[in-house]
Amino acid sequence: GEDVEQSLFLSVREGDSSVINCTYTDSSSTYLYWYKQEPGAGLQLLTYIFSNMDMKQDQRLTVLLNKKDKHLSLRIADTQTGDSAIYFCASESDYKLSFGAGTTVTVRA
Amino acid sequence: IAGITQAPTSQILAAGRRMTLRCTQDMRHNAMYWYRQDLGLGLRLIHYSNTAGTTGKGEVPDGYSVSRANTDDFPLTLASAVPSQTSVYFCASSGQGGPTGELFFGEGSRLTVL
Repeated sequence: GEDVEQSLFLSVREGDSSVINCTYTDSSSTYLYWYKQEPGAGLQLLTYIFSNMDMKQDQRLTVLLNKKDKHLSLRIADTQTGDSAIYFCASESDYKLSFGAGTTVTVRA
Repeated sequence: IAGITQAPTSQILAAGRRMTLRCTQDMRHNAMYWYRQDLGLGLRLIHYSNTAGTTGKGEVPDGYSVSRANTDDFPLTLASAVPSQTSVYFCASSGQGGPTGELFFGEGSRLTVL
């Protein structure tokens, strides 16, 4: 099946930019997603990008997709304490989602 | 407030017991899913249903069963719980108008099997 990999932890200073990276294996992935999970809650869709796009920007969030290298990243500008959460990358192929293990982002003052 | 409701929120269960996790959505979404979340493994799909009356197996279906008698409800049953089924279970749904992976999640059900 599809493999989606992410680094497990990221620590960032408040006000700095955060960059979360993800790699996937299925070259036929149609959409790629970023979900956010706050403590004790379910996942919430942050943004997604279609596979024929290179970049998508939505307020403080920027998604970059390098389809050749099968690499996806999420940049959060001006990181705030409320951005502390687990971020999941997910790849869609053949109408099925594969999730990475999640990156725990800790924002320090 | 529209969304997905899961119950119970948390449960401790003796091994060998039967358990049903409930999931209800009021968004009239066709597709519903059950995932389990385990540390370091992310979310893994247990079962899914593309529409009422149909179900399918996901990545880790063994030991679990589902039914989809109507659009709103998608219960997950553990016929005889085992300790390896200790996990956090999430129900999700997706509707028309967006990509398949645009999922709406419930708050989760934390299950501990002793």
